[in-house]
Amino acid sequence: DAKTTQPNSMESNEEEPVHLPCNHSTISGTDYIHWYRQLPSQGPEYVIHGLTSNVNNRMASLAIAEDRKSSTLILHRATLRDAAVYYCILRGYNNNDMRFGAGTRLTVKP
Amino acid sequence: KAGVTQTPRYLIKTRGQQVTLSCSPISGHRSVSWYQQTPGQGLQFLFEYFSETQRNKGNFPGRFSGRQFSNSRSEMNVSTLELGDSALYLCASSLDLLGYTFGSGTRLTVV
Repeated sequence: DAKTTQPNSMESNEEEPVHLPCNHSTISGTDYIHWYRQLPSQGPEYVIHGLTSNVNNRMASLAIAEDRKSSTLILHRATLRDAAVYYCILRGYNNNDMRFGAGTRLTVKP
Repeated sequence: KAGVTQTPRYLIKTRGQQVTLSCSPISGHRSVSWYQQTPGQGLQFLFEYFSETQRNKGNFPGRFSGRQFSNSRSEMNVSTLELGDSALYLCASSLDLLGYTFGSGTRLTVV
């Protein structure tokens, strides 16, 4: 299985942008890059996904490196409610299980 | 629209017993996946069902099993419970296999 590497933890100040990195050097051509987050006492929540091009939605932006070996989740203005564990996951086109790593615990300071 | 519903929310069982957990996916979602979450191992994939067929299975012993019904509702069963099976069990459903919606989970405690 293709694996991802994320920092264990990151801190951000409220209302500042946050860049959460993810390395996936063994990604294959058909792997999608997914991001989920898990708030305390809740199940994971879908954030965004992409294949090759950068993606934007109401929650975040996903920047994918040209060689696809890394990606960055961008929260444009962090709020206290964004404090969560963020998971970067690779999912093959025909592979419907998602293998979660340890994720990055984001702390947002007021 | 209603989200993914898991029942019960909390459960306490004794070692050696068996347990059945239920998951009702979002209406129209045919893919249902199950995960186990523990502080030590994090989120681990159990299995995934689509149209009543198990398509993928994680690295768990045969004591863990599941099924999916024609209305896409799914159940997972754990037999001969061990203390190490204490965990949060999460169910996720998907319409297009790209984005998954998770339930709030069933917290199982084995004593």
